[in-house]
Amino acid sequence: EPEVTQTPSHQVTQMGQEVILRCVPISNHLYFYWYRQILGQKVEFLVSFYNNEISEKSEIFDDQFSVERPDGSNFTLKIRSTKLEDSAMYFCASSESQGFRGTEAFFGQGTRLTVV
Amino acid sequence: LAKTTQPISMDSYEGQEVNITCSHNNIATNDYITWYQQFPSQGPRFIIQGYKTKVTNEVASLFIPADRKSSTLSLPRVSLSDTAVYYCLVGSRNSGNTPLVFGKGTRLSVIA
Repeated sequence: EPEVTQTPSHQVTQMGQEVILRCVPISNHLYFYWYRQILGQKVEFLVSFYNNEISEKSEIFDDQFSVERPDGSNFTLKIRSTKLEDSAMYFCASSESQGFRGTEAFFGQGTRLTVV
Repeated sequence: LAKTTQPISMDSYEGQEVNITCSHNNIATNDYITWYQQFPSQGPRFIIQGYKTKVTNEVASLFIPADRKSSTLSLPRVSLSDTAVYYCLVGSRNSGNTPLVFGKGTRLSVIA
């Protein structure tokens, strides 16, 4: 079964440092997403990406966040200056079509980011 | 997006059928109902999607009454490995930008 892969599985960083979380979506998918889940809380939408641009973002996705598809396979989330409250599990997802349009979104296993 | 309401948690013994009901009183004509499952420390996983009546796959069944204001996810003969959080999502297949928006879900604990 095709899968979304994320690296690293766990990253520890110091407050104020930049981090880049990496994802390889499923190869024929066109829509890409980042979500985060703070420990014990619900899965929160951050951003969706299609055709090399952001198609929608939540209010969480402020200026310290950015996304990029640097080549044909990777999809990255950059956090410029991490804060303690950025500690969470970050999930990448991809789908053939947008949102509810008939196909499921596939989620990766997540990157646990710990900011100290 | 239509607001959904689910029980916060449920307990079940192994081998029993589990039914998790989701209320979505404001569901729109074009909205579909989708359920995801999330195991601890893993990403959500699609289970099933439906519009009306009944949908069944190898994992679960989804029952949707005629008024579509609620839906019930049915897991037959659960095992310990079905312990997870189950999310009900409602959204339109015809709208442009509709990312999946998760609620708090239902935490199902299966007991031996």
